[in-house]
Amino acid sequence: QVQLVESGGGLVEPGGSLRLSCAASGFTFSDYYMGWIRQAPGKGLEWVSYISTSATIIYYADSVKGRFTISRDNAKNSLYLQMNSLRAEDTAVYYCARERVSSFDPWGQGTLVTVSS
Amino acid sequence: QSALTQPASVSGSPGQSITISCTGTSSDVGGYNYVSWYQQHPGKVPKLMIFEVSNRPSGVSNRFSGSKSGNTASLTISGLQAEDEADYYCSSYTSSRTLVFGGGTKLTVL
Repeated sequence: QVQLVESGGGLVEPGGSLRLSCAASGFTFSDYYMGWIRQAPGKGLEWVSYISTSATIIYYADSVKGRFTISRDNAKNSLYLQMNSLRAEDTAVYYCARERVSSFDPWGQGTLVTVSS
Repeated sequence: QSALTQPASVSGSPGQSITISCTGTSSDVGGYNYVSWYQQHPGKVPKLMIFEVSNRPSGVSNRFSGSKSGNTASLTISGLQAEDEADYYCSSYTSSRTLVFGGGTKLTVL
């Protein structure tokens, strides 16, 4: 079955960096756009970024543009999110998800990123 | 990238129908048929319920339906059941080629 498993979350100080990974299985990863969505504690969903099948099309939310970088390795069936210059407001559960016709299905279980000193 | 506008909460009794609205602009909801709806139970992962305004993924109950008029999309749940109690989020593609979510609506089944 289709499965997405995120990893790489944790506690990081403001200004620090973190790299999230998402391992995909159960489908042809290279055929799908992929995305990252986050959810701050007790808050709603916020779209972060998406990437096309060959990584030629990439878009970011204004809130992370210039600080976050999405990438993928189709040979490894993996999606990544490099997060630099982290701020307290980046604290959230980060979900990776398979994208199709601008909707996300399914979602991974999420990985928690906490930015705090 | 302003969030789409949803009511903070809606409620209904078992068996009734409820509708959740999602209001955007002509640059997102009104301009594209790429509106999606997600259900999220407390502590759980969001689940896609509707895509492309009115399409249901395989396995989603036909009690869930979606529609759009102008800049406002709607999710209707008919025959309300206790397990429908959850948070619901809409999302839309935008003219900037980005995506935007609504603020979320808490559905309470009385």
